[in-house]
Amino acid sequence: GAVVSQHPSRVICKSGTSVKIECRSLDFQATTMFWYRQFPKQSLMLMATSNEGSKATYEQGVEKDKFLINHASLTLSTLTVTSAHPEDSSFYICSASRLGSGELFFGEGSRLTVL
Amino acid sequence: QQPVQSPQAVILREGEDAVINCSSSKALYSVHWYRQKHGEAPIFLMILLKGGEQKGHDKISASFNEKKQQSSLYLTASQLSYSGTYFCGTGSGTYKYIFGTGTRLKVLA
Repeated sequence: GAVVSQHPSRVICKSGTSVKIECRSLDFQATTMFWYRQFPKQSLMLMATSNEGSKATYEQGVEKDKFLINHASLTLSTLTVTSAHPEDSSFYICSASRLGSGELFFGEGSRLTVL
Repeated sequence: QQPVQSPQAVILREGEDAVINCSSSKALYSVHWYRQKHGEAPIFLMILLKGGEQKGHDKISASFNEKKQQSSLYLTASQLSYSGTYFCGTGSGTYKYIFGTGTRLKVLA
């Protein structure tokens, strides 16, 4: 089956630093990937839709200058949390949909802790 | 707008049945169901693409009422492994999926 890999699975950083999270589709080409954020005991909230070769589409309330998304190839999207603060600590999950399939394939998630 | 799920939480004994509902204020083109264990990414259960469609595998099935903009997930003869948080995900014509509020399910031995 399709696999989406996310890295790193856990990251701890100091306040003010930037963190990059990678999302790779391993056995299919993903023209569109999605980035979600999940706080404890809450649902997955869509942050942005990442489109290969073009700018990401951000959801209302998500700062595009803080959460930089790059989708440079059909198999890789990256999310960079810039100038991270403790309130950015969360579980970040990417997903991708294979063309023709309605199923969303999720990465393993990245738990970010900002000290 | 986020779909609303009910109930918010449910506790079952092994072997009991449960129904989880997902209701949207927007027209739906598809409904997905996922189960998430604590600290893990969601796992895909099934997708329903047409109004009136019903699907199932093992003892988990779902229905999709397009007119009412609702979907229900049916868990029969629940097992301990069914414990987790269930999310519906709704698609509304684009490939953008919005997840519901979630239902925490705990199955006790």
